[in-house]
Amino acid sequence: AQSVTQLDSQVPVFEEAPVELRCNYSSSVSVYLFWYVQYPNQGLQLLLKYLSGSTLVKGINGFEAEFNKSQTSFHLRKPSVHISDTAEYFCAVSDLQGAQKLVFGQGTRLTINP
Amino acid sequence: KAGVTQTPRYLIKTRGQQVTLSCSPISGHRSVSWYQQTPGQGLQFLFEYFSETQRNKGNFPGRFSGRQFSNSRSEMNVSTLELGDSALYLCASSLGSIGTGPIFGPGTRLTVT
Repeated sequence: AQSVTQLDSQVPVFEEAPVELRCNYSSSVSVYLFWYVQYPNQGLQLLLKYLSGSTLVKGINGFEAEFNKSQTSFHLRKPSVHISDTAEYFCAVSDLQGAQKLVFGQGTRLTINP
Repeated sequence: KAGVTQTPRYLIKTRGQQVTLSCSPISGHRSVSWYQQTPGQGLQFLFEYFSETQRNKGNFPGRFSGRQFSNSRSEMNVSTLELGDSALYLCASSLGSIGTGPIFGPGTRLTVT
């Protein structure tokens, strides 16, 4: 079984500042990793995913994430945030067999202050 | 390409009733999965259907059931509703092959009174 821990429930940052949202996972098998964003009253939008290969993954809206197998982490970063990035961000994992069965972290609420 | 659509978007039901939620996947997607989102438990996987067969199942009671039709549209049913079933129910579709991140719909907000 897999589990995901998002280390910060809330992250406030100022506009144009860099941000890092932390995600650690636990699994006895190899996994796929995902980051989703949820804007108020909407569903989840896929930001990026790691399947294999390069450990640095680039996604939409200027976000990127780095897979670190030794530290079982998949932290999400953006060098300069905008007000429109205010949302809840979810890290998720799936094993290689049940690829449509995602296990989510509890989410990190990112608040951008002007 | 149209996204994942879910109907209805909002629903209010009384404890003890049953409810059916509908999901239309992206054209060409054969996998449909369902998730429950609550403030307390977060996002939890309910089940996944692929080509009309349940392929994966989460840890929910038998009151939660689903099905998929030959056109890949899916329905989820909850019988004997409880107050704790109040949640946002999200449907996601994908091609069903390994590594394709599911695409989520806007969800159905179910309130049980």
